[in-house]
Amino acid sequence: AQTVTQSQPEMSVQEAETVTLSCTYDTSENNYYLFWYKQPPSRQMILVIRQEAYKQQNATENRFSVNFQKAAKSFSLKISDSQLGDTAMYFCVANAGGTSYGKLTFGQGTILTVHP
Amino acid sequence: GAVVSQHPSWVICKSGTSVKIECRSLDFQATTMFWYRQFPKQSLMLMATSNEGSKATYEQGVEKDKFLINHASLTLSTLTVTSAHPEDSSFYICSAMDSGRAYEQYFGPGTRLTVT
Repeated sequence: AQTVTQSQPEMSVQEAETVTLSCTYDTSENNYYLFWYKQPPSRQMILVIRQEAYKQQNATENRFSVNFQKAAKSFSLKISDSQLGDTAMYFCVANAGGTSYGKLTFGQGTILTVHP
Repeated sequence: GAVVSQHPSWVICKSGTSVKIECRSLDFQATTMFWYRQFPKQSLMLMATSNEGSKATYEQGVEKDKFLINHASLTLSTLTVTSAHPEDSSFYICSAMDSGRAYEQYFGPGTRLTVT
C-alpha cells in the first residue's frame, strides 16, 4: 500500500512571495509518479506539476518547482512569486502502479491562501 | 489537452429517488475511469474503478448496490446513486486514464449532489 502525507492543513502567503508546501510519501514500488494538483474554488482539479521517480532532476513548471528527495521520500512544492490565482487547495498525489495500477493516492490537502 | 466532462454539474433530488451522473472523455479513449467522493475541505476519496466492458471494482466500505457504475464505452462511464438519502449529498468527481499515458489521469469538473 502507498501513503501520502501532507502535514500542513492551511498556509498563507503574501502576493509576490514564495511558499513551500510539504509532502512525504511511502511506497514499495520502484517506478512511480508524483504529482501536485490544485483545486481552486471552482473545484476543478488542475495538474500543477509531475515528477517521475526515476528522474533525478527536479521538475519545474514556470513559477512552480519541486524538491524531490527520493531517499527521504519527500516531495515538496515551491511556489515563487505567488499570485492571487494560486489560492486553492493543493494535493500531493502518488501513482505507484504495481498492484494498484492506475490508482492515485491523495494526501490530505493543504489550503493555500494568497493575500494581496 | 485531454478533456473530461461531467453532467450534470449540480443536481438536487428528493430522498428515495435515484440520480445518474455521466463522465465522458471528450478527446481520448479511456479504458479506465475512477469515481471519487469529496466532502468540503477534505481530500478525494476513491469510490470505485470503472473498466470498460467489465464490472467496476469498489473500494472497501463503498456499497456497490447503492452506487451503480457502468462503463459502457471507451468514452463514457456513469455513476447512479440509487435510493439517495441526505447523507449521500456530496461532491462527486470522475477521472479518466488515457490508455496511452497510464501514469496520468484527467479530472472532470465534478458534480454537486444535494439530496433533500
